[in-house]
Amino acid sequence: AQSVTQPDIHITVSEGASLELRCNYSYGATPYLFWYVQSPGQGLQLLLKYFSGDTLVQGIKGFEAEFKRSQSSFNLRKPSVHWSDAAEYFCAGGGLRGSQGNLIFGKGTKLSVKP
Amino acid sequence: NAGVTQTPKFRVLKTGQSMTLLCAQDMNHEYMYWYRQDPGMGLRLIHYSVGEGTTAKGEVPDGYNVSRLKKQNFLLGLESAAPSQTSVYFCASSYPRVNSNQPQHFGDGTRLSIL
Repeated sequence: AQSVTQPDIHITVSEGASLELRCNYSYGATPYLFWYVQSPGQGLQLLLKYFSGDTLVQGIKGFEAEFKRSQSSFNLRKPSVHWSDAAEYFCAGGGLRGSQGNLIFGKGTKLSVKP
Repeated sequence: NAGVTQTPKFRVLKTGQSMTLLCAQDMNHEYMYWYRQDPGMGLRLIHYSVGEGTTAKGEVPDGYNVSRLKKQNFLLGLESAAPSQTSVYFCASSYPRVNSNQPQHFGDGTRLSIL
C-alpha cells in the first residue's frame, strides 16, 4: 500500500540549531513530493516541491529538501532555525500507486523551538 | 489575493443537524478538494472534484456529500451530523494535475464541533 511516513511526531530544537525533519514514502514509480507548513489556526502553506531533476530542492523561508530514491526519503532541512519556524510540518506525496492521483499526507511533525 | 476562502470559520452543531461548508477560490483552478484534519491523523481526503459538475470520493467520504455547481465553489454537506465528524475541515484547490504534480492551495480551515 502507498503511504507517506513521518517518523517523528514532535521535535524540539534550540533557536539557531540545524533542523532535519524526516519523510519516507512507499510506492512504485517516481513520486511527486511536497512539504507544507501549518501554523496554529492556519491552513497549509507550500514550502517546496520535488517533481524531477535536481534532487536537492530549495524552498521558501530558508528550507531545503533532498530526494533520495535509494532511501525512499525526502527529508526537510534548515541550517539555522528561528523561533518563527515553530509549527507543524507535513510531507505529502503524489503519483503514488493506488492514490488515484491524489496527494497522500503524512501525519505531521510538530516543531517546537527553544529560546 | 483572496486565494481559497472557507466559510464559516467556526461552527457548533448538535447531533443530527445538517449544515453546508462553503469553499470559494479565485485562482481559476479546475481541481478542488475537501480534507478533514484530526490530531495525529494528518489530512484525509473526503471528496474531490476535477471540474465543474463532477465529484469523486476520497479516503473518508461516508457521512458527507459535495457539490460543484460553479467552478469557483465547492460545497461540503453534512446531512446528519455525528460527534465523529468533529474536526477541522480544509478546502484546497489546484490546477489540473499531471501525475499529481500540481501543488494544492489551502484555505484557513473550518473548525466544526458536533455535540
